[in-house]
Amino acid sequence: EAGVTQSPTHLIKTRGQQATLRCSPISGHTSVYWYQQALGLGLQFLLWYDEGEERNRGNFPPRFSGRQFPNYSSELNVNALELEDSALYLCASSQTGHYSNQPQHFGDGTRLSIL
Amino acid sequence: GDSVTQMEGPVTLSEEAFLTINCTYTATGYPSLFWYVQYPGEGLQLLLKATKADDKGSNKGFEATYRKETTSFHLEKGSVQVSDSAVYFCALSDRGGATNKLIFGTGTLLAVQP
Repeated sequence: EAGVTQSPTHLIKTRGQQATLRCSPISGHTSVYWYQQALGLGLQFLLWYDEGEERNRGNFPPRFSGRQFPNYSSELNVNALELEDSALYLCASSQTGHYSNQPQHFGDGTRLSIL
Repeated sequence: GDSVTQMEGPVTLSEEAFLTINCTYTATGYPSLFWYVQYPGEGLQLLLKATKADDKGSNKGFEATYRKETTSFHLEKGSVQVSDSAVYFCALSDRGGATNKLIFGTGTLLAVQP
Protein backbone atom coordinates (compact mmCIF):
# COMPACT_ATOMS: atom_id res chain seq x y z
CA GLU A 1 0.00 0.00 0.00
CA ALA A 2 1.42 3.37 -1.01
CA GLY A 3 1.90 5.86 1.79
CA VAL A 4 1.25 9.59 1.79
CA THR A 5 3.15 11.19 -1.07
CA GLN A 6 4.18 14.81 -1.27
CA SER A 7 5.65 16.88 -4.07
CA PRO A 8 7.95 18.52 -4.69
CA THR A 9 10.59 17.30 -2.24
CA HIS A 10 12.31 20.67 -2.23
CA LEU A 11 11.09 24.09 -3.32
CA ILE A 12 13.15 27.27 -3.46
CA LYS A 13 11.39 30.60 -3.75
CA THR A 14 12.11 34.26 -3.13
CA ARG A 15 10.26 36.68 -0.89
CA GLY A 16 6.88 37.77 -2.25
CA GLN A 17 6.43 34.77 -4.53
CA GLN A 18 3.78 32.10 -4.21
CA ALA A 19 4.36 28.40 -3.44
CA THR A 20 2.13 25.41 -4.17
CA LEU A 21 2.68 22.12 -2.35
CA ARG A 22 0.85 18.91 -3.19
CA CYS A 23 -0.19 15.84 -1.25
CA SER A 24 -1.76 12.50 -2.14
CA PRO A 25 -3.28 10.62 0.81
CA ILE A 26 -3.24 6.91 1.46
CA SER A 27 -5.90 5.16 -0.60
CA GLY A 28 -9.17 5.09 1.32
CA HIS A 29 -8.29 8.07 3.51
CA THR A 30 -10.64 11.04 3.24
CA SER A 31 -8.97 13.46 5.68
CA VAL A 32 -5.84 15.42 4.88
CA TYR A 33 -3.89 17.57 7.32
CA TRP A 34 -1.06 20.05 6.85
CA TYR A 35 1.59 20.85 9.44
CA GLN A 36 4.54 23.22 9.46
CA GLN A 37 7.83 22.15 11.04
CA ALA A 38 9.96 25.25 11.37
CA LEU A 39 13.31 25.40 13.10
CA GLY A 40 12.82 26.35 16.72
CA LEU A 41 9.02 26.34 16.49
CA GLY A 42 8.28 22.64 16.42
CA LEU A 43 5.35 21.06 14.64
CA GLN A 44 2.39 23.37 14.18
CA PHE A 45 -1.04 22.41 12.82
CA LEU A 46 -2.00 24.37 9.71
CA LEU A 47 -5.16 22.98 8.07
CA TRP A 48 -7.52 20.02 8.04
CA TYR A 49 -9.59 19.01 5.01
CA ASP A 50 -12.22 16.31 4.94
CA GLU A 51 -14.57 15.40 2.09
CA GLY A 52 -13.48 18.47 0.16
CA GLU A 53 -14.19 20.98 2.93
CA GLU A 54 -11.88 22.92 5.21
CA ARG A 55 -12.77 21.67 8.73
CA ASN A 56 -10.25 23.38 10.94
CA ARG A 57 -7.47 25.93 10.68
CA GLY A 58 -4.46 26.63 12.86
CA ASN A 59 -3.14 30.01 13.94
CA PHE A 60 -1.70 31.05 10.57
CA PRO A 61 -2.42 34.12 8.43
CA PRO A 62 -4.87 33.93 5.50
CA ARG A 63 -2.04 33.82 2.96
CA PHE A 64 -1.81 30.14 3.91
CA SER A 65 -4.66 28.42 2.11
CA GLY A 66 -5.45 25.19 0.38
CA ARG A 67 -8.02 22.90 -1.03
CA GLN A 68 -8.96 19.25 -1.31
CA PHE A 69 -9.91 17.72 -4.63
CA PRO A 70 -12.62 15.09 -5.35
CA ASN A 71 -9.95 12.35 -5.31
CA TYR A 72 -8.99 13.54 -1.76
CA SER A 73 -5.58 14.85 -2.81
CA SER A 74 -4.76 18.29 -1.50
CA GLU A 75 -2.85 21.44 -2.29
CA LEU A 76 -1.34 23.95 0.12
CA ASN A 77 -0.79 27.45 -1.24
CA VAL A 78 1.35 30.05 0.45
CA ASN A 79 1.11 33.57 -0.97
CA ALA A 80 3.41 36.55 -0.46
CA LEU A 81 6.19 34.35 0.88
CA GLU A 82 8.21 35.63 3.82
CA LEU A 83 11.59 34.47 5.09
CA GLU A 84 10.00 32.90 8.17
CA ASP A 85 7.92 30.60 5.93
CA SER A 86 11.06 28.54 5.40
CA ALA A 87 10.20 25.16 6.91
CA LEU A 88 9.40 21.53 6.29
CA TYR A 89 5.70 21.21 5.38
CA LEU A 90 4.24 17.85 6.30
CA CYS A 91 1.04 16.38 5.00
CA ALA A 92 -0.82 13.62 6.84
CA SER A 93 -3.93 11.59 6.12
CA SER A 94 -6.39 9.51 8.11
CA GLN A 95 -9.41 7.34 7.34
CA THR A 96 -11.80 9.94 8.68
CA GLY A 97 -11.38 12.95 10.87
CA HIS A 98 -14.73 13.39 12.49
CA TYR A 99 -14.83 12.46 16.16
CA SER A 100 -12.39 9.73 15.50
CA ASN A 101 -9.18 8.45 16.98
CA GLN A 102 -7.85 7.25 13.67
CA PRO A 103 -4.09 7.89 13.61
CA GLN A 104 -2.62 10.33 11.13
CA HIS A 105 -0.01 8.98 8.72
CA PHE A 106 2.60 11.39 7.41
CA GLY A 107 4.46 11.91 4.17
CA ASP A 108 8.14 12.83 3.95
CA GLY A 109 7.39 16.52 3.53
CA THR A 110 8.26 19.39 1.22
CA ARG A 111 11.25 21.49 2.25
CA LEU A 112 10.39 25.11 1.37
CA SER A 113 13.31 27.53 1.37
CA ILE A 114 12.78 31.27 0.97
CA LEU A 115 15.76 33.28 -0.25
CA GLY B 1 -5.39 24.88 25.94
CA ASP B 2 -4.17 21.37 25.40
CA SER B 3 -0.42 20.84 25.49
CA VAL B 4 2.33 18.21 25.55
CA THR B 5 5.60 18.44 27.46
CA GLN B 6 8.56 16.22 26.62
CA MET B 7 11.92 15.85 28.27
CA GLU B 8 14.67 17.92 26.74
CA GLY B 9 17.25 16.16 24.66
CA PRO B 10 19.54 15.07 23.35
CA VAL B 11 19.50 11.69 25.04
CA THR B 12 22.72 9.78 24.42
CA LEU B 13 22.84 6.07 25.20
CA SER B 14 25.07 3.12 24.49
CA GLU B 15 23.70 0.23 22.45
CA GLU B 16 21.58 -2.20 24.54
CA ALA B 17 20.88 0.44 27.23
CA PHE B 18 17.37 1.03 28.62
CA LEU B 19 15.48 3.99 27.23
CA THR B 20 12.89 6.23 28.86
CA ILE B 21 11.60 9.43 27.26
CA ASN B 22 9.17 11.27 29.50
CA CYS B 23 5.97 12.81 28.18
CA THR B 24 3.19 14.53 30.12
CA TYR B 25 0.09 16.20 28.78
CA THR B 26 -2.59 18.71 29.64
CA ALA B 27 -6.02 18.20 28.09
CA THR B 28 -9.58 19.15 28.93
CA GLY B 29 -11.17 16.25 27.06
CA TYR B 30 -10.28 12.60 26.62
CA PRO B 31 -7.31 12.61 24.28
CA SER B 32 -5.76 9.84 22.27
CA LEU B 33 -1.99 9.72 22.73
CA PHE B 34 0.70 8.93 20.18
CA TRP B 35 4.43 8.56 19.76
CA TYR B 36 5.89 9.41 16.38
CA VAL B 37 9.49 8.98 15.23
CA GLN B 38 11.35 11.10 12.68
CA TYR B 39 14.52 9.77 11.06
CA PRO B 40 16.91 12.28 9.42
CA GLY B 41 15.50 13.73 6.21
CA GLU B 42 12.18 11.95 6.56
CA GLY B 43 8.64 12.63 7.71
CA LEU B 44 7.00 11.29 10.84
CA GLN B 45 6.26 7.62 11.34
CA LEU B 46 3.62 6.47 13.78
CA LEU B 47 5.37 4.38 16.42
CA LEU B 48 2.51 3.53 18.78
CA LYS B 49 -0.77 4.83 20.14
CA ALA B 50 -3.18 4.52 23.06
CA THR B 51 -6.76 5.73 23.03
CA LYS B 52 -7.92 5.42 26.65
CA ALA B 53 -6.64 5.26 30.20
CA ASP B 54 -4.48 2.22 31.07
CA ASP B 55 -4.08 1.27 27.40
CA LYS B 56 -0.55 0.14 26.53
CA GLY B 57 0.73 0.84 23.03
CA SER B 58 3.64 -1.21 21.74
CA ASN B 59 5.63 -1.60 18.54
CA LYS B 60 9.18 -2.67 17.59
CA GLY B 61 10.14 -3.17 21.25
CA PHE B 62 8.87 0.28 22.28
CA GLU B 63 6.08 0.61 24.85
CA ALA B 64 4.06 3.41 26.44
CA THR B 65 1.16 3.27 28.90
CA TYR B 66 -1.63 5.88 29.04
CA ARG B 67 -1.65 7.03 32.69
CA LYS B 68 -4.62 9.31 33.36
CA GLU B 69 -3.81 9.78 37.05
CA THR B 70 -0.35 11.21 36.26
CA THR B 71 -1.30 12.55 32.79
CA SER B 72 1.72 10.79 31.35
CA PHE B 73 2.65 8.64 28.36
CA HIS B 74 6.34 7.80 28.82
CA LEU B 75 8.13 5.92 26.03
CA GLU B 76 10.32 2.96 27.02
CA LYS B 77 12.49 0.38 25.32
CA GLY B 78 14.47 -2.31 27.05
CA SER B 79 17.47 -2.44 24.73
CA VAL B 80 18.15 0.30 22.18
CA GLN B 81 20.01 -0.16 18.92
CA VAL B 82 22.02 2.29 16.82
CA SER B 83 19.18 2.20 14.29
CA ASP B 84 16.84 3.72 16.91
CA SER B 85 18.71 7.04 16.67
CA ALA B 86 16.06 9.59 15.65
CA VAL B 87 13.82 12.34 17.00
CA TYR B 88 10.82 11.12 19.01
CA PHE B 89 7.62 13.17 19.29
CA CYS B 90 4.84 12.69 21.79
CA ALA B 91 1.43 13.94 20.59
CA LEU B 92 -2.20 14.10 21.60
CA SER B 93 -5.43 14.31 19.66
CA ASP B 94 -8.70 15.38 21.25
CA ARG B 95 -10.82 12.49 20.04
CA GLY B 96 -13.96 13.90 21.58
CA GLY B 97 -13.71 17.25 19.86
CA ALA B 98 -14.12 18.57 16.36
CA THR B 99 -10.65 19.94 15.77
CA ASN B 100 -8.89 16.63 15.24
CA LYS B 101 -5.47 18.29 15.14
CA LEU B 102 -2.42 16.69 16.65
CA ILE B 103 -0.63 18.70 19.33
CA PHE B 104 3.03 17.77 19.52
CA GLY B 105 5.73 18.02 22.10
CA THR B 106 9.00 19.63 21.13
CA GLY B 107 10.64 16.32 20.26
CA THR B 108 13.52 14.46 21.91
CA LEU B 109 16.64 13.59 19.96
CA LEU B 110 17.95 10.12 20.76
CA ALA B 111 21.52 9.24 19.81
CA VAL B 112 22.60 5.62 20.32
CA GLN B 113 26.32 4.91 20.20
CA PRO B 114 27.76 1.49 19.31
